Amino acid sequence: QTVVTQEPSLTVSPGGTVTLTCASSTGAVTSSFYPNWFQQKPGQAPRALIYSTGNKHSWTPARFSGSLLGGKAALTLSDVQPEDEAEYYCLLYYGGAQVFGGGTKLTVL
Amino acid sequence: QVQLQESGPGLVKPSETLSLTCTVSGGSISNYYWSWIRQPPGKGLEWIAYIYYSGSTYYNPSLKSRVTISVDTSKNQFSLKLSSVTAADTAVYYCASGYSGYDYDYWGRGTLVTVSS
Repeated sequence: QTVVTQEPSLTVSPGGTVTLTCASSTGAVTSSFYPNWFQQKPGQAPRALIYSTGNKHSWTPARFSGSLLGGKAALTLSDVQPEDEAEYYCLLYYGGAQVFGGGTKLTVL
Repeated sequence: QVQLQESGPGLVKPSETLSLTCTVSGGSISNYYWSWIRQPPGKGLEWIAYIYYSGSTYYNPSLKSRVTISVDTSKNQFSLKLSSVTAADTAVYYCASGYSGYDYDYWGRGTLVTVSS
């Protein structure tokens, strides 16, 4: 059973920068895993932010960026805003299958 | 803009089959990948399956024996059937779209399905 691991929780101050990571139990994450990132606020559906490692959707704020970092996929939020407080999920592709990470609860405090 | 809307029973009895439909509006179901994803109350997301508009399917190995996904291009809809449900299948079920098969863009608002007698 493939497991995708994220930090359970992180806290960041408004205006600060924070990096969330996404690791695979199979080894290093590469671009071939096509990492995706999603934001979910309470009571809402997830919203797509990043696809294929670092590509943004038209609605993705510029302060969000995706990359590969130390064998993991990473989502970096710069100049964090209060409205960025949410749960963030990564998704990795394994051939025809997909596995979500457990999510990171980001608190802006 | 593409909009997705899930529909189906909100309550299903144990051992029965859960059936959901996702209606696509504001765009064509062609040339896209269409997925089902679920989220048990208070828990994380779980990918269930996806289908290309032409009919190619991909299933979560842990659910494959119980899941069927299908597409009806004439109605701009795609559907999910999950058989032999138990309380563990209680979740919000989302439908979502993706262009390349390696991305997601639009999501439905989700529908809560409770498995209970």
